[in-house]
Amino acid sequence: RKEVEQDPGPFNVPEGATVAFNCTYSNSASQSFFWYRQDCRKEPKLLMSVYSSGNEDGRFTAQLNRASQYISLLIRDSKLSDSATYLCVVMAWAGKSTFGDGTTLTVKP
Amino acid sequence: DGGITQSPKYLFRKEGQNVTLSCEQNLNHDAMYWYRQDPGQGLRLIYYSQIVNDFQKGDIAEGYSVSREKKESFPLTVTSAQKNPTAFYLCASSVFRDRGLANTGELFFGEGSRLTVL
Repeated sequence: RKEVEQDPGPFNVPEGATVAFNCTYSNSASQSFFWYRQDCRKEPKLLMSVYSSGNEDGRFTAQLNRASQYISLLIRDSKLSDSATYLCVVMAWAGKSTFGDGTTLTVKP
Repeated sequence: DGGITQSPKYLFRKEGQNVTLSCEQNLNHDAMYWYRQDPGQGLRLIYYSQIVNDFQKGDIAEGYSVSREKKESFPLTVTSAQKNPTAFYLCASSVFRDRGLANTGELFFGEGSRLTVL
């Protein structure tokens, strides 16, 4: 079983749709959680950190459920520019981060 | 502007040759990392270094070597012992010790190096 598991998709949605990505992790000692965005053949970039209280940044909402070891990312009002691969990242300690395989999103006109 | 610079961006190598990928950062970050990404997969940790003159193996260190002689530099050598070296290699850095920064743990990546073995 992988330490961090994501639904690989692909997710194909129309513009304006709401889409949710899920991620589960196996290490209960994990401390920090992140969503990164990776465009095709580019480096990953931080989209948002994920806090236990949940956090929102514009159209993006991230949630963490420590009891279920589950992280989610919700994108509202999808834009064409949201098309990318979204990577769930879990940090157990001292900066050692484990990446999920990513979920690919394609937003279509 | 602060950032991470990787070179070369593209590299071709013949089987049996060693190759060294460069990674330099001017963010004053303590920790540096090397990841490998294969198509359709996430990033896998090769080596990491939390402080100068010290580094640790990651999950897939076999066939790779690193050095950390300076805080700013963390070169990766892909040796001929690495059986499937063709991949996208990403270098990253982060603040290792919490200095009151909200995003401790965030990884800052270089643009990557694509290695192809012919």
